[in-house]
Amino acid sequence: DIQMTQAPSSLSTSVGDRVSITCRSSQSISNYLNWYQQKPGKAPKLLIYAASRLQSGVPSRFTGSGSGTDFTLTITSLRPEDFATYYCQQSYTTPWTFGQGTKVEIK
Amino acid sequence: EEQLLESGGDLVKPGGSLRLSCAASGFTFKNYAMNWVRQAPGKGLEWVSGISRNGDYTYYADSVKGRFTISRDNSKNTVHLQMSSLRVEDTAVYFCVKEGSSADRFPLLNWGQGTLAVVSS
Repeated sequence: DIQMTQAPSSLSTSVGDRVSITCRSSQSISNYLNWYQQKPGKAPKLLIYAASRLQSGVPSRFTGSGSGTDFTLTITSLRPEDFATYYCQQSYTTPWTFGQGTKVEIK
Repeated sequence: EEQLLESGGDLVKPGGSLRLSCAASGFTFKNYAMNWVRQAPGKGLEWVSGISRNGDYTYYADSVKGRFTISRDNSKNTVHLQMSSLRVEDTAVYFCVKEGSSADRFPLLNWGQGTLAVVSS
């Protein structure tokens, strides 16, 4: 199975800050990498697919980059509604696997 | 508006069985592969199973292979997860998820609200 490792596991930050979350796969997955946002008690929501494509309706302050084994989700100018847990997921081969999650908290 | 509505979650004893259902609406169901993803309390996301658009191909996580069976009925726009030989570690919220196309690299596009299955004696 492909292992997905996110860093950091959590971070404390402030409204208006720039945040970057990294995701590394245990083998090359080309651009088969997706990012999700989950708020407490809610279902995950797709933010970025194919490593860098913004899902319809998602604000442009969310960007994804990377290819191969190293990927990054960047949130520019953090807003209050962005405090949540973020997961990366590879869709290169089944079993689909997720990173362990990064919790973005208010400082 | 697209909607995925899960049902069937319950409290069951170890070794028991449970059948989860997901009713889809607002999109052409037969055109999409479907998946189940679970989340144990306070934990991360774990993909459980997937099924192709016409049901010919099914996929399972090793943790549930041989115990869970995914199926779909395109005439009723439903997907099911039959769970048997349940273990305490199967306790989780189970999400029904619509999968995107290969051109888009198979993203998990839309998620239901989830249904809670609790395995406990």
